[in-house]
Amino acid sequence: AQKITQTQPGMFVQEKEAVTLDCTYDTSDPSYGLFWYKQPSSGEMIFLIYQGSYDQQNATEGRYSLNFQKARKSANLVISASQLGDSAMYFCAMSRGLRNAGNMLTFGGGTRLMVKP
Amino acid sequence: EAGVAQSPRYKIIEKRQSVAFWCNPISGHATLYWYQQILGQGPKLLIQFQNNGVVDDSQLPKDRFSAERLKGVDSTLKIQPAKLEDSAVYLCASSGLGETQYFGPGTRLLVL
Repeated sequence: AQKITQTQPGMFVQEKEAVTLDCTYDTSDPSYGLFWYKQPSSGEMIFLIYQGSYDQQNATEGRYSLNFQKARKSANLVISASQLGDSAMYFCAMSRGLRNAGNMLTFGGGTRLMVKP
Repeated sequence: EAGVAQSPRYKIIEKRQSVAFWCNPISGHATLYWYQQILGQGPKLLIQFQNNGVVDDSQLPKDRFSAERLKGVDSTLKIQPAKLEDSAVYLCASSGLGETQYFGPGTRLLVL
């Protein structure tokens, strides 16, 4: 069985500073995908970034980067230069198999990020 | 490109009543998912369709929940009869071959 743990229920960050959201995972599968989604108060889940288990380099998408440490089973999200619009819930998720397998996602409990002006 | 559409956005019902949610996935996406998100938790998969066939419904409470995806496009999720603990956001997502799951805006259900 797969499990995702997000240990930070809530975090504050000053506008324009960087912030790291923690995510650890547990799986016995050699192939898996790791995802981060943002959920603003409107409720929609917005895809941010993906890392496959065989990817050698950390994924980056604009201001988002994923710090993938396979041996430690961690997949932390780093947001650089925080903006007020980054205030939202952030969910880490994983899939059995890589992204192209089309498998369901297992989600963590989420971290609420609040950006201070 | 249009995103995943869901309706209604909000629904309030009394316990033991029935309710149905509708989802229209992104055009061309063969895989469709229904997730339940209880307040303060991450989403949990209820059912996954590949075209009009069920791939995974192991976490669907089949005594009261049902879902269908006729013609492999739109899908409906039904709860009959509803219980208080069914109060949640119901999220529909879809994915194409080799692609990430994209989510709709969700339906917020309150059971009184």
